[in-house]
Amino acid sequence: TQLLEQSPQFLSIQEGENLTVYCNSSSVFSSLQWYRQEPGEGPVLLVTVVTGGEVKKLKRLTFQFGDARKDSSLHITAAQPGDTGLYLCAGGASNTGKLIFGQGTTLQVKP
Amino acid sequence: SQTIHQWPATLVQPVGSPLSLECTVEGTSNPNLYWYRQAAGRGLQLLFYSVGIGQISSEVPQNLSASRPQDRQFILSSKKLLLSDSGFYLCAWSFRTGGNYGYTFGSGTRLTVV
Repeated sequence: TQLLEQSPQFLSIQEGENLTVYCNSSSVFSSLQWYRQEPGEGPVLLVTVVTGGEVKKLKRLTFQFGDARKDSSLHITAAQPGDTGLYLCAGGASNTGKLIFGQGTTLQVKP
Repeated sequence: SQTIHQWPATLVQPVGSPLSLECTVEGTSNPNLYWYRQAAGRGLQLLFYSVGIGQISSEVPQNLSASRPQDRQFILSSKKLLLSDSGFYLCAWSFRTGGNYGYTFGSGTRLTVV
């Protein structure tokens, strides 16, 4: 069974601080995605990484896929209150389209 | 553009009552469709997925069933709800455009079984 473990589960920081969220597995994934979800809404896709070692940047967010395609990280620089939410990583098998989700990291950024 | 509609947004149902949640997709054809359930503030558990009309795969044994009567319609049902069926239900379709691949989720249905 493929599992994705996210850490930390909860993170409460001050505006302007940096943070990193980790997503780890013992399984290899063909792709790894990061989603952000606000209360009462569906998750929204932030990025997809498919190549081992790949790094993608989305404004203040930096996403990295591990060389062996078993892990990923999300780094946020100078966090803002608008970054508050639940961050989910998800690993995919492109042939089936099914995604396995991590348990999520709840981020609170205080002004 | 592709959109996904899910309703109702919230639902309170008594134990033992039936359930029907509907999801429709617009702007695409033959999509892969998924039903997920989410516990409060946590990750998503895949319940069912469908690659075409009448084709349903169940991921976990449960009190729920799914059907796909039309290409862009996906329905989640139960004949008799249990308390443990409470949760946040999300419908999604998977897309692939060039090198980008991901899910688009509906806005979810908050189900409370009382």
